[in-house]
Order: sequence, then C-alpha cells, then structure tokens
Amino acid sequence: DADVTQTPRNRITKTGKRIMLECSQTKGHDRMYWYRQDPGLGLQLIYYSFDVKDINKGEISDGYSVSRQAQAKFSLSLESAIPNQTALYFCATSAVKGSSTGELFFGEGSRLTVL
Amino acid sequence: GESVGLHLPTLSVQEGDNSIINCAYSNSASDYFIWYKQESGKGPQFIIDIRSNMDKRQGQRVTVLLNKTVKHLSLQIAATQPGDSAVYFCAENSNFGNEKLTFGTGTRLTIIP
Repeated sequence: DADVTQTPRNRITKTGKRIMLECSQTKGHDRMYWYRQDPGLGLQLIYYSFDVKDINKGEISDGYSVSRQAQAKFSLSLESAIPNQTALYFCATSAVKGSSTGELFFGEGSRLTVL
Repeated sequence: GESVGLHLPTLSVQEGDNSIINCAYSNSASDYFIWYKQESGKGPQFIIDIRSNMDKRQGQRVTVLLNKTVKHLSLQIAATQPGDSAVYFCAENSNFGNEKLTFGTGTRLTIIP
C-alpha cells in the first residue's frame, strides 16, 4: 500500500462545482503539503500544514482551501472550480524540521479537469 | 523574483553513458538543494540532496555538484539505465525544513537503448 494516498486519482468536473481532493498518509509525518503541477512547469505550493492546528498559505493559495482533519489527513478544496485550475495535484509529507534530510514524500497525484 | 531554472528541457542519452542535468538558481540565500525524479504517472521521488556547506555529494550512481559562486547545481547519473528515463527536478530552500521548496521546471531525460 502507498504511504501517501490521494483520492480521487482522476476527476472531471464543471465550472462552478465544489471539488475536494483528499490525502491520507501512513508515514506518521507531522508536515503535509499540497502542490499543483502544470505541463512544462515545476511544482507550485498551494498550502502546507505543520500539524493539525497549523495551516499556511503557499505561493498560489487563491481559489483553494484546505483542512487538516487529523495528523494523517489533509484535504484540498476548490470551492468553485474554474478551467485554469485544471492541473495535476500532489499531496506530500515530510518529517519534522531538523530531520536528516528535507525529503518530501509525494502521493501519486490527482488529475483534475475543469470543463 | 527568485527562480530555479534548468538549462535544457530535454536530454537524450545512450544507455550505459553518463548523463548530466543542470540547474541554475537565483536566490543567493538558498542553502539546501534537492533533486527529484518523476516517472510517468507517478509523484516525484527524492534522489539526493546537498547543503550549501558542501560542493559535492554522491549516492548510488548519482552525484550532485553545487557551485555557489555561479549558483549552479548539477545531477550526474552514471551508467544510465532505461529506468532512469523520467523528468528530473531540482528544488531549493533558503530555510532548511523544506516548508517552501522552490521547484525548477524539470528536464526530461530519455535513455536510448
């Protein structure tokens, strides 16, 4: 089983619909992240969370919201989806600051298409 | 603004040869760098990292070189194999703890059999 699981893996929706992407992890990490990947571009940070009570905006948080329901769960919502939010979305986790590496562990991605 | 970029978007290498993927960064405060590999349909996977107090670090078949003078990072893959075909991203952070990694746009490496 994957350590970082994203659902759904693929979703097609219409403009104006509310969409939730869910992420769960079994790595026991405190830190969780949501990234967006567009073709030909690198990963852009949407939101990140250091623990259950902590939520921080990333580079491109407009149009998105998140919820950290538990240490192992971090969901991303698009309240009213628009076509330019069509992208591949990745959830990632990491251990606390000061760990031996700064490694992020990524899920396999959720491909969202907004028509 | 700050950016992390790659010199070449695509690279084709004969199987068995060595490959070098380059990355330039502009943030002089960057002190931690990571290379990720992303295979088709999968999430990025950590390859190797290096801190700014080092100029070279080796892993299994991979070497990362850091030249802080010219703000340049490279990933060398020795004896490339078909499984090395992927997109490779460099990323940097100016506050070790990776809460705000800045990713480059990626280089697609294709291994020719």
